Amino acid sequence: SAVISQKPSRDICQRGTSLTIQCQVDSQVTMMFWYRQQPGQSLTLIATANQGSEATYESGFVIDKFPISRPNLTFSTLTVSNMSPEDSSIYLCSVETGGQGRLNEQFFGPGTRLTVL
Amino acid sequence: LAKTTQPISMDSYEGQEVNITCSHNNIATNDYITWYQQFPSQGPRFIIQGYKTKVTNEVASLFIPADRKSSTLSLPRVSLSDTAVYYCLVGDIGNFGNEKLTFGTGTRLTIIP
Repeated sequence: SAVISQKPSRDICQRGTSLTIQCQVDSQVTMMFWYRQQPGQSLTLIATANQGSEATYESGFVIDKFPISRPNLTFSTLTVSNMSPEDSSIYLCSVETGGQGRLNEQFFGPGTRLTVL
Repeated sequence: LAKTTQPISMDSYEGQEVNITCSHNNIATNDYITWYQQFPSQGPRFIIQGYKTKVTNEVASLFIPADRKSSTLSLPRVSLSDTAVYYCLVGDIGNFGNEKLTFGTGTRLTIIP
């Protein structure tokens, strides 16, 4: 299993500013994922972050808008840049544990609730 | 990744058994079926996973017919604390490290006292 914490838990930001969300895991993991969940909606994968390499972004998400850092095997950050009200959402990080052929389970952080005014 | 279809919402009374069915007509041979549960203001958490027939753990049972084109999550004797959104996902768990979870709409289960 894995225990994940995120900072901040919530924030209210002004249009045009940027916010960096931190994700800390209690064990070393290879894969970390960042999701967005808009109010009342399902989760959408933003990007996959591997330690030591560039993040891989899903369709509709770009590095300039959502830069990601992965400096070590227990930590990652997601920045939401030049925010607009449409970026208001919950942002969650998750990690994958298990090995080849074993249970492919992801553990999620509690999320960061972002409101952009 | 195989697409999944499940009811948007369901209501049930406390103490009853709840069955949530998910359709995945295009499931591939190497795909497993996984269910996640999400409480309000929390991230999703893994409930159960299976490939075929029946799987049971301390939380739920998962029934998968022989053609694997659907699956049913069964929650025995639900309580108010089971009110949550339940997501059905299908993917190749053998592809560890490269498997992305694709969340569908989920089923919003409301337990009525």
